[in-house]
Amino acid sequence: NAGVTQTPKFQVLKTGQSMTLQCAQDMNHEYMSWYRQDPGMGLRLIHYSVGAGITDQGEVPNGYNVSRSTTEDFPLRLLSAAPSQTSVYFCASSPVALAAGPDTQYFGPGTRLTVL
Amino acid sequence: GESVGLHLPTLSVQEGDNSIINCAYSNSASDYFIWYKQESGKGPQFIIDIRSNMDKRQGQRVTVLLNKTVKHLSLQIAATQPGDSAVYFCAERGETGGGADGLTFGKGTHLIIQP
Repeated sequence: NAGVTQTPKFQVLKTGQSMTLQCAQDMNHEYMSWYRQDPGMGLRLIHYSVGAGITDQGEVPNGYNVSRSTTEDFPLRLLSAAPSQTSVYFCASSPVALAAGPDTQYFGPGTRLTVL
Repeated sequence: GESVGLHLPTLSVQEGDNSIINCAYSNSASDYFIWYKQESGKGPQFIIDIRSNMDKRQGQRVTVLLNKTVKHLSLQIAATQPGDSAVYFCAERGETGGGADGLTFGKGTHLIIQP
């Protein structure tokens, strides 16, 4: 199986543009999450989902929307990009919540987003 | 505020030597700690974890030590290899953890292996 895949790998946006970061996993994991990683800072949780049809906010949800219509896919939407959203974004999936089983969590390769 | 951090942003070691990467935490209520490895251009990868009722845990070539008295966590890598070059960061779970998963992540230490 492919694990966790993310597209695109790189993206440059202008302020105000919208886009969707794609994340897919083929391991039938219930728990999926989005993080952002900024220089000099640790990973921060944006949104997460504990199953299809269920999403919730993480630590830094403002400016981002998510949906979980299937178990496999968990897209992250930026409705109006801002320079503060320049970051590397990681999607992750696991069969259980992260803190319960981090050894079963898989991270995607990341999307590097620049907002001008 | 509460934070998880690393003492050194970069650590350079000779191939074959042991590496020690440190992490300080400030939340005395944290009950669970995780170490991750992140190679260039890749996502983080779980290495080892430890619960607060333990002070040492060993894996394959890695050992995590927890000193709750001084709120210090360390990752020891034995016989460092070129493939160990990466950024290493810790995470803690506390009652006021940063995310909904209750985890606060450290900033990371870049481990460089000298031939």
